[in-house]
Amino acid sequence: GAGVSQSPSNKVTEKGKDVELRCDPISGHTALYWYRQSLGQGLEFLIYFQGNSAPDKSGLPSDRFSAERTGGSVSTLTIQRTQQEDSAVYLCASSSQPSSYEQYFGPGTRLTVT
Amino acid sequence: GENVEQHPSTLSVQEGDSAVIKCTYSDSASNYFPWYKQELGKGPQLIIDIRSNVGEKKDQRIAVTLNKTAKHFSLHITETQPEDSAVYFCAASIRGYGGATNKLIFGTGTLLAVQP
Repeated sequence: GAGVSQSPSNKVTEKGKDVELRCDPISGHTALYWYRQSLGQGLEFLIYFQGNSAPDKSGLPSDRFSAERTGGSVSTLTIQRTQQEDSAVYLCASSSQPSSYEQYFGPGTRLTVT
Repeated sequence: GENVEQHPSTLSVQEGDSAVIKCTYSDSASNYFPWYKQELGKGPQLIIDIRSNVGEKKDQRIAVTLNKTAKHFSLHITETQPEDSAVYFCAASIRGYGGATNKLIFGTGTLLAVQP
């Protein structure tokens, strides 16, 4: 079946612009996670959605970062007033239920801020 | 805070040899330990996982061992092949929002190179 998809695959933007990154989770998966992966680094947790519960935003690095999930499916990560240090690969993962830990990742969006 | 340490950061082996990657974790509540393989330009792919009620799990050439007392777990790849070359990440579940352990904290990755 279809896996997690993300768009765009690559995004180049100028410093100070806003960007939106999209994630389509696996159909039926109720949990959705966003991570950031800087060059040569591990995965940094950003935000977690589970069903209709309030999201866990504990990993968002600043108030320039926000995310929403509409209808319990598609999610959008928004970065306002982008900075060069925001350049990274942004990964989305989904999981089938709260008690199922298996997370399945999308291919990521490579963001470059010039 | 919680953290996961992963060693080595790079590992080079000859084709056919074994590779071992080790991780330690700090949260005693961690009860799920997955391993991911990430190839260049792709997202991480889950290759094997283990839960805290099990000490070892095998899947063909891949095995994972867990020592809860020492808070460490390892990935073992036998009979390595060039296509095993990738970055491998370990992870451990940690308490998230509301206390449920459904978040993962990742190690910093191991770049495995299998020389033909």
